[in-house]
Amino acid sequence: AQRVTQPEKLLSVFKGAPVELKCNYSYSGSPELFWYVQYSRQRLQLLLRHISRESIKGFTADLNKGETSFHLKKPFAQEEDSAMYYCALRPNFGNEKLTFGTGTRLTIIP
Amino acid sequence: EAGVTQFPSHSVIEKGQTVTLRCDPISGHDNLYWYRRVMGKEIKFLLHFVKESKQDESGMPNNRFLAERTGGTYSTLKVQPAELEDSGVYFCASSQDRASPSGEKLFFGSGTQLSVL
Repeated sequence: AQRVTQPEKLLSVFKGAPVELKCNYSYSGSPELFWYVQYSRQRLQLLLRHISRESIKGFTADLNKGETSFHLKKPFAQEEDSAMYYCALRPNFGNEKLTFGTGTRLTIIP
Repeated sequence: EAGVTQFPSHSVIEKGQTVTLRCDPISGHDNLYWYRRVMGKEIKFLLHFVKESKQDESGMPNNRFLAERTGGTYSTLKVQPAELEDSGVYFCASSQDRASPSGEKLFFGSGTQLSVL
Protein backbone atom coordinates (compact mmCIF):
# COMPACT_ATOMS: atom_id res chain seq x y z
CA ALA A 1 0.00 0.00 0.00
CA GLN A 2 1.17 3.51 -0.70
CA ARG A 3 1.49 6.29 1.85
CA VAL A 4 2.35 9.99 1.76
CA THR A 5 3.65 11.77 4.84
CA GLN A 6 3.76 15.52 5.35
CA PRO A 7 5.25 16.01 8.81
CA GLU A 8 4.35 19.69 9.21
CA LYS A 9 0.71 20.61 9.65
CA LEU A 10 1.54 24.30 9.97
CA LEU A 11 4.48 26.31 8.68
CA SER A 12 5.03 30.04 9.08
CA VAL A 13 7.74 31.80 7.12
CA PHE A 14 8.66 35.46 6.78
CA LYS A 15 8.23 37.10 3.40
CA GLY A 16 11.46 36.83 1.43
CA ALA A 17 12.71 33.84 3.42
CA PRO A 18 13.19 30.39 1.87
CA VAL A 19 10.38 27.86 2.08
CA GLU A 20 10.60 24.09 2.25
CA LEU A 21 7.54 21.88 2.62
CA LYS A 22 8.47 18.30 3.35
CA CYS A 23 6.94 15.23 1.74
CA ASN A 24 7.98 11.61 2.08
CA TYR A 25 6.31 8.67 0.44
CA SER A 26 6.27 4.91 0.53
CA TYR A 27 5.43 2.87 -2.52
CA SER A 28 6.97 -0.29 -3.88
CA GLY A 29 6.94 0.75 -7.53
CA SER A 30 7.75 3.95 -9.43
CA PRO A 31 5.05 6.46 -8.63
CA GLU A 32 4.23 9.86 -9.98
CA LEU A 33 4.47 12.60 -7.38
CA PHE A 34 2.52 15.84 -7.33
CA TRP A 35 2.09 18.98 -5.28
CA TYR A 36 -1.40 20.42 -5.11
CA VAL A 37 -2.29 23.80 -3.64
CA GLN A 38 -5.53 25.25 -2.32
CA TYR A 39 -5.62 29.02 -1.90
CA SER A 40 -8.29 30.56 0.27
CA ARG A 41 -11.76 30.05 -1.21
CA GLN A 42 -10.39 28.44 -4.36
CA ARG A 43 -10.37 24.93 -5.73
CA LEU A 44 -7.63 22.42 -5.16
CA GLN A 45 -5.27 22.75 -8.12
CA LEU A 46 -2.12 21.17 -9.42
CA LEU A 47 1.04 23.12 -8.62
CA LEU A 48 3.63 20.85 -10.15
CA ARG A 49 4.48 17.27 -11.11
CA HIS A 50 7.81 15.56 -10.72
CA ILE A 51 7.89 14.35 -14.31
CA SER A 52 7.68 17.85 -15.71
CA ARG A 53 10.73 19.04 -13.76
CA GLU A 54 9.61 22.64 -14.06
CA SER A 55 9.32 25.62 -11.76
CA ILE A 56 5.83 26.97 -11.12
CA LYS A 57 5.37 30.28 -9.27
CA GLY A 58 8.99 29.95 -8.19
CA PHE A 59 8.43 26.54 -6.60
CA THR A 60 10.46 23.45 -7.45
CA ALA A 61 10.40 19.90 -6.19
CA ASP A 62 12.90 17.16 -6.85
CA LEU A 63 12.05 13.51 -6.54
CA ASN A 64 14.69 11.76 -4.44
CA LYS A 65 14.11 8.05 -4.86
CA GLY A 66 16.85 7.12 -2.40
CA GLU A 67 15.22 9.12 0.39
CA THR A 68 11.69 8.63 -1.02
CA SER A 69 11.11 12.36 -0.71
CA PHE A 70 9.55 15.06 -2.84
CA HIS A 71 10.08 18.25 -0.88
CA LEU A 72 8.69 21.52 -2.22
CA LYS A 73 11.02 24.51 -2.19
CA LYS A 74 10.99 28.18 -2.99
CA PRO A 75 13.97 30.47 -2.39
CA PHE A 76 12.01 33.63 -1.54
CA ALA A 77 8.52 33.39 -0.08
CA GLN A 78 5.81 35.80 -1.18
CA GLU A 79 2.62 36.72 0.65
CA GLU A 80 0.48 35.16 -2.06
CA ASP A 81 2.08 31.79 -1.34
CA SER A 82 -0.04 31.46 1.80
CA ALA A 83 -2.22 28.41 1.17
CA MET A 84 -2.76 24.74 1.97
CA TYR A 85 -0.29 22.46 0.20
CA TYR A 86 -0.82 18.76 -0.40
CA CYS A 87 1.68 16.23 -1.62
CA ALA A 88 0.15 13.37 -3.61
CA LEU A 89 1.20 10.11 -5.18
CA ARG A 90 -0.21 8.22 -8.13
CA PRO A 91 0.84 4.68 -8.99
CA ASN A 92 2.39 4.73 -12.42
CA PHE A 93 -0.51 3.15 -14.15
CA GLY A 94 -4.17 3.63 -14.86
CA ASN A 95 -6.41 6.31 -13.50
CA GLU A 96 -6.10 9.42 -11.39
CA LYS A 97 -6.63 7.72 -8.04
CA LEU A 98 -4.32 9.75 -5.84
CA THR A 99 -2.98 9.16 -2.36
CA PHE A 100 -2.61 12.44 -0.52
CA GLY A 101 -0.71 13.56 2.53
CA THR A 102 -2.40 15.41 5.37
CA GLY A 103 -1.37 18.78 3.98
CA THR A 104 0.69 21.69 5.27
CA ARG A 105 -0.82 25.10 5.87
CA LEU A 106 1.78 27.64 4.84
CA THR A 107 1.48 31.16 6.19
CA ILE A 108 3.74 33.90 4.93
CA ILE A 109 4.35 36.61 7.50
CA PRO A 110 4.60 40.09 5.94
CA GLU B 1 -14.67 26.71 -19.91
CA ALA B 2 -16.49 26.07 -16.66
CA GLY B 3 -14.61 24.09 -14.04
CA VAL B 4 -15.84 21.36 -11.75
CA THR B 5 -18.79 22.69 -9.78
CA GLN B 6 -19.90 21.40 -6.42
CA PHE B 7 -23.08 22.22 -4.55
CA PRO B 8 -23.64 23.18 -1.83
CA SER B 9 -20.41 24.81 -0.72
CA HIS B 10 -21.40 24.31 2.92
CA SER B 11 -23.93 22.08 4.63
CA VAL B 12 -24.74 21.89 8.31
CA ILE B 13 -27.01 19.04 9.36
CA GLU B 14 -27.88 17.13 12.49
CA LYS B 15 -26.83 13.59 13.16
CA GLY B 16 -29.30 11.18 11.62
CA GLN B 17 -30.34 13.48 8.81
CA THR B 18 -29.71 12.94 5.12
CA VAL B 19 -27.53 15.09 2.92
CA THR B 20 -26.97 14.97 -0.82
CA LEU B 21 -23.91 16.52 -2.38
CA ARG B 22 -23.76 17.29 -6.05
CA CYS B 23 -20.87 17.50 -8.49
CA ASP B 24 -20.94 18.75 -12.06
CA PRO B 25 -17.75 17.72 -13.84
CA ILE B 26 -16.16 19.53 -16.72
CA SER B 27 -18.18 18.85 -19.85
CA GLY B 28 -16.82 15.87 -21.75
CA HIS B 29 -14.91 14.40 -18.82
CA ASP B 30 -15.79 10.74 -18.54
CA ASN B 31 -13.91 10.21 -15.28
CA LEU B 32 -15.35 11.54 -12.06
CA TYR B 33 -13.84 11.08 -8.61
CA TRP B 34 -15.00 11.74 -5.09
CA TYR B 35 -12.50 12.43 -2.33
CA ARG B 36 -12.97 13.40 1.30
CA ARG B 37 -10.85 15.24 3.83
CA VAL B 38 -11.73 14.67 7.44
CA MET B 39 -10.36 17.33 9.79
CA GLY B 40 -6.67 16.84 10.45
CA LYS B 41 -6.35 13.88 8.15
CA GLU B 42 -5.37 13.29 4.56
CA ILE B 43 -7.60 13.71 1.54
CA LYS B 44 -8.86 10.20 0.88
CA PHE B 45 -10.19 8.64 -2.28
CA LEU B 46 -13.81 7.52 -2.09
CA LEU B 47 -14.74 6.33 -5.54
CA HIS B 48 -14.27 6.66 -9.28
CA PHE B 49 -16.87 6.73 -12.04
CA VAL B 50 -16.20 6.15 -15.71
CA LYS B 51 -19.23 7.64 -17.33
CA GLU B 52 -22.13 6.17 -15.36
CA SER B 53 -20.28 3.07 -14.14
CA LYS B 54 -18.55 2.72 -10.79
CA GLN B 55 -14.99 1.77 -11.69
CA ASP B 56 -13.63 1.68 -8.16
CA GLU B 57 -15.55 2.24 -4.94
CA SER B 58 -12.95 0.83 -2.61
CA GLY B 59 -12.74 4.04 -0.60
CA MET B 60 -16.40 4.31 0.35
CA PRO B 61 -16.51 4.21 4.17
CA ASN B 62 -19.70 2.19 4.63
CA ASN B 63 -23.17 1.60 3.24
CA ARG B 64 -24.48 4.91 4.54
CA PHE B 65 -22.79 6.47 1.52
CA LEU B 66 -24.39 6.16 -1.90
CA ALA B 67 -22.94 7.68 -5.05
CA GLU B 68 -24.70 7.87 -8.37
CA ARG B 69 -23.96 9.25 -11.78
CA THR B 70 -27.04 8.65 -13.85
CA GLY B 71 -26.52 9.45 -17.51
CA GLY B 72 -22.81 9.88 -17.01
CA THR B 73 -23.01 13.61 -16.38
CA TYR B 74 -23.35 15.04 -12.88
CA SER B 75 -22.91 12.91 -9.79
CA THR B 76 -24.51 12.89 -6.37
CA LEU B 77 -23.16 11.58 -3.10
CA LYS B 78 -25.80 10.87 -0.49
CA VAL B 79 -25.07 10.28 3.15
CA GLN B 80 -27.96 8.63 5.01
CA PRO B 81 -28.10 8.75 7.97
CA ALA B 82 -25.27 11.16 8.65
CA GLU B 83 -22.98 10.57 11.62
CA LEU B 84 -20.63 12.96 13.40
CA GLU B 85 -17.55 11.35 11.86
CA ASP B 86 -18.84 12.16 8.36
CA SER B 87 -17.94 15.83 8.88
CA GLY B 88 -15.28 17.04 6.51
CA VAL B 89 -14.69 18.48 3.09
CA TYR B 90 -15.91 16.44 0.15
CA PHE B 91 -14.04 17.07 -3.08
CA CYS B 92 -15.10 16.09 -6.55
CA ALA B 93 -12.69 15.89 -9.46
CA SER B 94 -12.95 15.03 -13.12
CA SER B 95 -10.56 14.09 -15.86
CA GLN B 96 -10.41 13.00 -19.44
CA ASP B 97 -7.83 10.64 -20.84
CA ARG B 98 -5.44 13.29 -22.09
CA ALA B 99 -3.74 16.05 -20.19
CA SER B 100 -4.42 19.74 -20.70
CA PRO B 101 -1.72 21.91 -22.28
CA SER B 102 -0.48 22.71 -18.77
CA GLY B 103 -0.13 19.00 -18.01
CA GLU B 104 -2.99 19.02 -15.54
CA LYS B 105 -5.23 16.00 -15.93
CA LEU B 106 -7.30 15.99 -12.79
CA PHE B 107 -9.47 19.04 -12.09
CA PHE B 108 -10.98 19.54 -8.67
CA GLY B 109 -14.00 21.42 -7.50
CA SER B 110 -13.87 23.76 -4.51
CA GLY B 111 -15.37 21.14 -2.23
CA THR B 112 -18.40 20.89 0.02
CA GLN B 113 -17.81 21.51 3.71
CA LEU B 114 -20.11 19.13 5.59
CA SER B 115 -20.69 19.63 9.29
CA VAL B 116 -22.71 17.03 11.17
CA LEU B 117 -23.80 18.23 14.62
